[in-house]
Amino acid sequence: DAKTTQPNSMESNEEEPVHLPCNHSTISGTDYIHWYRQLPSQGPEYVIHGLTSNVNNRMASLAIAEDRKSSTLILHRATLRDAAVYYCILRVQTGANNLFFGTGTRLTVIP
Amino acid sequence: NAGVTQTPKFQVLKTGQSMTLQCAQDMNHNSMYWYRQDPGMGLRLIYYSASEGTTDKGEVPNGYNVSRLNKREFSLRLESAAPSQTSVYFCASSGTGTLGTGELFFGEGSRLTVL
Repeated sequence: DAKTTQPNSMESNEEEPVHLPCNHSTISGTDYIHWYRQLPSQGPEYVIHGLTSNVNNRMASLAIAEDRKSSTLILHRATLRDAAVYYCILRVQTGANNLFFGTGTRLTVIP
Repeated sequence: NAGVTQTPKFQVLKTGQSMTLQCAQDMNHNSMYWYRQDPGMGLRLIYYSASEGTTDKGEVPNGYNVSRLNKREFSLRLESAAPSQTSVYFCASSGTGTLGTGELFFGEGSRLTVL
């Protein structure tokens, strides 16, 4: 299974931007980069995904390096509700869409 | 709009007992999954079902069986529970496995303790 590397934890001040990095040097050409987050005592929820180009949605932006060996999830203005564990995942091209989760980055938002 | 519903939310078992975790989704998704999450760890895939009538092993299938009862329901059974199976179990579903979003929708989790 494809692997990703993320920092164990990060901190951010409330209302400031947050850049969460992810390395995925073994990514193959057809692997999508997905981000999920998990709030305390909840199941993971989808944040964003991309293949080659940068992506934006209402929750976040995803910046993908040109060689695709790394990516960055950008939260434009962190709120206390964004405190969660963020998982960077490579979606391997199988028939069942299964994703392989690592241990993620625990984001702490400081009021 | 219920999404993915898991039952029970909490369960305590003794070693050797059996139980079934139930999962149902109302989004007409083809694919369904069972994950487990141990303390301080990420999620690990136990079994998945790409479509009704098919099931496949994931990363950690030993000690578990699954049934894709129909398109809506995917159950996980522990035939003889062991303390190593103490974990939080998450069911998830997703639409057709194409080059589309592949977004997974998760349930709230079932916390299982095996004594």
